[in-house]
Amino acid sequence: NAGVMQNPRHLVRRRGQEARLRCSPMKGHSHVYWYRQLPEEGLKFMVYLQKENIIDESGMPKERFSAEFPKEGPSILRIQQVVRGDSAAYFCASSPRVGGLNEQFFGPGTRLTVL
Amino acid sequence: GQQLNQSPQSMFIQEGEDVSMNCTSSSIFNTWLWYKQEPGEGPVLLIALYKAGELTSNGRLTAQFGITRKDSFLNISASIPSDVGIYFCAGLNFGNEKLTFGTGTRLTIIP
Repeated sequence: NAGVMQNPRHLVRRRGQEARLRCSPMKGHSHVYWYRQLPEEGLKFMVYLQKENIIDESGMPKERFSAEFPKEGPSILRIQQVVRGDSAAYFCASSPRVGGLNEQFFGPGTRLTVL
Repeated sequence: GQQLNQSPQSMFIQEGEDVSMNCTSSSIFNTWLWYKQEPGEGPVLLIALYKAGELTSNGRLTAQFGITRKDSFLNISASIPSDVGIYFCAGLNFGNEKLTFGTGTRLTIIP
């Protein structure tokens, strides 16, 4: 069983460019979550998606950030016009959400560096 | 917003020692999860707790869901070098899908 897959693992962008992060959930999981982690800190929730729907985006900045989980293909977290403060590790998690259980399994993360 | 405080922030122990760490919250959670994160990797789920008072083991790891639902404890017995990493607690409430993570406990094993 493949786990949650994320790519790229490392991404370098210059200020003003766009960053596109991809996440493929575990097989059979239709719930995807994105979190951001700054150095020496815990993970902070950004957005929760099910197929073709954004369920909760309360942790995502209102501007420049967007997320989608299309019917086919991976979930995408898009950051437009990146700034230095966007440099962080971005983690995706997936959950089967079966029978009330909501264990979230994380991918290896994408480390974004903005120059 | 909800905050989870973990203590201690860091631990330096010798191989073979037992480890205890805890997590406290300003508000209640219905589910507690414990994760371990190693450098350059994502968090790995260790134990999930669903019921107040529940005590659950996974090998040398034991975790408890506090009766008040505002705290949780993780114990590691007979530590080994591969236990090194950062341990995070995370709380979750039904109907609210976002995990709230603690501040982390960094475990270092002294040879």
